[in-house]
Amino acid sequence: QSALTQPRSVSGSPGQSVTISCTGTSSDVGGYNYVSWYQQHPGKAPKLMIYDVSKRPSGVPDRFSGSKSGNTASLTISGLQAEDEADYYCCSYAGSYTWGVFGTGTKVTVL
Amino acid sequence: EVQLVQSGAEVKKPGESLKISCKGSGYSFTSYWIGWVRQMPGKGLEWMGIIYPGDSDTRYSPSFQGQVTISADKSISTAYLQWSSLKASDTAMYYCAKLLTTVTTCAFDIWGQGTMVTVSS
Repeated sequence: QSALTQPRSVSGSPGQSVTISCTGTSSDVGGYNYVSWYQQHPGKAPKLMIYDVSKRPSGVPDRFSGSKSGNTASLTISGLQAEDEADYYCCSYAGSYTWGVFGTGTKVTVL
Repeated sequence: EVQLVQSGAEVKKPGESLKISCKGSGYSFTSYWIGWVRQMPGKGLEWMGIIYPGDSDTRYSPSFQGQVTISADKSISTAYLQWSSLKASDTAMYYCAKLLTTVTTCAFDIWGQGTMVTVSS
């Protein structure tokens, strides 16, 4: 099972919006509405930001939103802030053999 | 407070065995899946497998099936990840994490602090 494909990096100025894509196949992203997104700061454990494509856990700012179209899921960060600079990973349910697969990861830089 | 506390860093030689732990508290340990995630140095996250402590039902990624063993002892609210013969390529940070729901395999809402495993001769 190959990792889901994400851009290596995206960047934006404070206040702008950035969108990170996560491309899979019909066997994972496209087949189920079970995509999650994680934020990871250096040296820290990942933090769940979005689950089930577009749901936010309690405490996650509404600047973070998720969506999906076909085999590609997306995470949008609106009103970019300095503390949003981190690595972001998507993850998808991948059926009852592979079970779960993470994306390759995207570094978000706040200019 | 819901938390997962992992065992400390390990330094091992190739061929040695190892078992690391993840203790849950603040919630019903037997009612939520626990997963393990690998992060090799400077690399991304990899989904390894999950276990349901209530009945020890276990699911492995094909990439890790046969390479590691995931287990749990519900009497002490602890999940384990073990190797019978370590390789240098097992050097990584290993995280345990709790799944938010029983439906998805990717929504880990609570994470342990990570256990660094170093395998070197």
